[in-house]
Parts: sequence; structure tokens; C-alpha cells
Amino acid sequence: RKEVEQDPGPFNVPEGATVAFNCTYSNSASQSFFWYRQDCRKEPKLLMSVYSSGNEDGRFTAQLNRASQYISLLIRDSKLSDSATYLCVVNGDNAGNMLTFGGGTRLMVKP
Amino acid sequence: NAGVTQTPKFQVLKTGQSMTLQCAQDMNHEYMSWYRQDPGMGLRLIHYSVGAGITDQGEVPNGYNVSRSTTEDFPLRLLSAAPSQTSVYFCASSYQRISSYEQYFGPGTRLTVT
Repeated sequence: RKEVEQDPGPFNVPEGATVAFNCTYSNSASQSFFWYRQDCRKEPKLLMSVYSSGNEDGRFTAQLNRASQYISLLIRDSKLSDSATYLCVVNGDNAGNMLTFGGGTRLMVKP
Repeated sequence: NAGVTQTPKFQVLKTGQSMTLQCAQDMNHEYMSWYRQDPGMGLRLIHYSVGAGITDQGEVPNGYNVSRSTTEDFPLRLLSAAPSQTSVYFCASSYQRISSYEQYFGPGTRLTVT
């Protein structure tokens, strides 16, 4: 079983739609969770950290469910510019020196 | 600030050749890492460094060497290239502990080994 699993998609949605991605992780001791965004043939960039209480940044909301070991990302009012691959990232060791990346979920927003 | 820079952007090697991928950052970050990204597998950590003179292995270190003589530079050496090392390589840096701080990635090096 992969340590961090994501549905690779693609998720094809119209502009203005709400879309949600889930990610499951296997290490119950993980403490740090992130969503990164990666545009085609570009480097990943931090989208948002995921806190235990959940957090929101504009149209983006991230949630953490420790009991079921998954994190989610909700995007409201999708824009064409949201088209990208979204990477779920979890800390991979207790010392905090390693991160484990999921394979990514591809989102395509259509006009 | 230039951020994290990587050279070269593209490279083709023959099996058995060696080369060094360069990575530099100008943000005075303590932590630096090398990842490879293969289709459908996500980024995998090759080696990382928590400061000048200190390096450690990640998830897939075989076939790669690193050193960190300065805070700014973290080169990755391929000792004897193999087709299995065809991948996109990203260097990243963060202010401190990787799990607590944002990682800044370089633009990547696309390597093909024939």
C-alpha cells in the first residue's frame, strides 16, 4: 500500500463548480499535512497547510480527519486557472526531515 | 531573490556516464533536498541536508551522491547513469525543518538516460 494515496483523476469540471479531492495516508503518527499545486511541466508550489481544526484560504478549504487518516481539499467557484495537479503531502518521519508525496490529482476546469 | 535555481534544465546521458546536477538557493535556507518525479509515483526523496556539512539519505538514494559544503549549494551526482534514472529532478529548500516550513522548489532538470 502506498504511504499517501490520491485518485489521479482527471477531474473535469465546468467553471464555477465545486470540486473536492481526498487523500489517504498510512502513517498514523504523521503530524504535518500540506497541499501543493503543480502546473504542467513546472515545479510544485505550496497551496496550503492543513491544520487539525481545518482551514480556509479564499475559495480553498482543507480538512484533516485523523481517525480515518485522510485529508481533503475543497475548491469552490472553480476558475480556469485552477487547472493543475494537486499533490497531497504528509511528513514521512518523526524527526520532520522527510516528506512523502502522493501521486497527485489532476484537475481540468473547462469553460 | 532568484530563489532556487537548477542547472541544466535538460540533459541526455548515455548509460554509464556520470554527471552533476547543480542546485543553489539564495534564501539562506538551512534545509535542502533532492527529489525525483516519475509519472504516477509522486516525488520521491533522494537525499537531504539539514545544514552545511550534514547530509542524509532519503527514500531512493542508490546511484546518487550529495555533498553540502556551503549553505547555498547542494549538488547531486549521478555516479554511473542507468536508464532507470530517467526522470525529472527537483531541488528544494526550506527555512528549517521540512515538515514545518514551506518547501521552495527549483524549476527542475529533465534527465534522459539512453
